[in-house]
Amino acid sequence: DAMVIQNPRYQVTQFGKPVTLSCSQTLNHNVMYWYQQKSSQAPKLLFHYYDKDFNNEADTPDNFQSRRPNTSFCFLDIRSPGLGDAAMYLCATSRDRGSYNEQFFGPGTRLTVL
Amino acid sequence: QQQVKQSPQSLIVQKGGISIINCAYENTAFDYFPWYQQFPGKGPALLIAIRPDVSEKKEGRFTISFNKSAKQFSLHIMDSQPGDSATYFCAASWSNYQLIWGAGTKLIIKP
Repeated sequence: DAMVIQNPRYQVTQFGKPVTLSCSQTLNHNVMYWYQQKSSQAPKLLFHYYDKDFNNEADTPDNFQSRRPNTSFCFLDIRSPGLGDAAMYLCATSRDRGSYNEQFFGPGTRLTVL
Repeated sequence: QQQVKQSPQSLIVQKGGISIINCAYENTAFDYFPWYQQFPGKGPALLIAIRPDVSEKKEGRFTISFNKSAKQFSLHIMDSQPGDSATYFCAASWSNYQLIWGAGTKLIIKP
């Protein structure tokens, strides 16, 4: 089945220790998104790639970076995780940008910062 | 003006009852209104979506009612089942890529 896969599902890191989360997709979608979701809150968009074009949200901290080496893979790098970065990180894809383009979400990676 | 306001925050409904979740928006440029369903430990999944030129859309037990003049839309779940227990998010977008999310409603269906 076509899908969005995230690894690992659970990640524990130490305060200030860099961490990388990965996302892959078999949908061959042009757009890949990274969201942060904290408990009992809506997902918050961090950035997205439209093909190779990187689009950062204005309020995304510099601590968060992303790479998309090819259509199928996208990575989220957190350079110096703080306690406030503990959250569920969701990867999503869509065929194109804009309205009417359904976003398909992966299962998420739950990040714990000690 | 970019917000989507969702209520209630939580909802408990008896099995077989009707669950109703409401959302309101201000930006009249919004042209797409999806509802996402999220189970614990899973990513959100699109449940149903509507465009503003339609007043109602039904898919199985799920119905979106859309009131363009009032700038409100709602999700109705008929014959609610325990398996419908989840968090529901309304959202809105326009020609831009970004989804503006409501705060979410945690729905519990009691057997």
